[in-house]
Amino acid sequence: GDSVTQMEGPVTLSEEAFLTINCTYTATGYPSLFWYVQYPGEGLQLLLKATKADDKGSNKGFEATYRKETTSFHLEKGSVQVSDSAVYFCALSDYGVKLIFGQGTTLQVKP
Amino acid sequence: DVKVTQSSRYLVKRTGEKVFLECVQDMDHENMFWYRQDPGLGLRLIYFSYDVKMKEKGDIPEGYSVSREKKERFSLILESASTNQTSMYLCASSPGQGPEKLFFGSGTQLSVL
Repeated sequence: GDSVTQMEGPVTLSEEAFLTINCTYTATGYPSLFWYVQYPGEGLQLLLKATKADDKGSNKGFEATYRKETTSFHLEKGSVQVSDSAVYFCALSDYGVKLIFGQGTTLQVKP
Repeated sequence: DVKVTQSSRYLVKRTGEKVFLECVQDMDHENMFWYRQDPGLGLRLIYFSYDVKMKEKGDIPEGYSVSREKKERFSLILESASTNQTSMYLCASSPGQGPEKLFFGSGTQLSVL
């Protein structure tokens, strides 16, 4: 079945460092891909999405490019802030209304 | 502002109890979902519903049931709570035919003793 694999965390960075969180997927069709973020004590919220190959999703300085050839959707940010500390989830949707999530990656940014 | 509201933030129950987790959305969304979140396992789909009185099993439905009598309300029921159901439960909703955007509640942390 369809699945999403994320890099293990926690990822600990200093403020202004470059961030990459790896995400790869397995799907039989042509899925839409998503990144969700969960701040402490809150529910998940959509960060960005891409619906077809080579699309780039972007929001709040974060970017991810849909790479069909490598089945990847890695999340990047050029300069992280303490306020970016959260849990990040990669997800896919193949057909239908449901999302399949990865394990989540905790990001800690230190001042 | 759009809202998905879960009735309790923290809940403590005893093994064998029947437990109800309630979720209400105010966005007139067709689709509603229940996930559980566990460290290292991410979010796993328990049940979802795409219309009133309609439900579909997700990936881990065993030990759970659901009820959707009204469009805005989706209840998760643990028929006989067990310790392995201790978890964070997240409710979500989305409009229309595809998961363009899920809106999540802030979660219910359930402890079964």
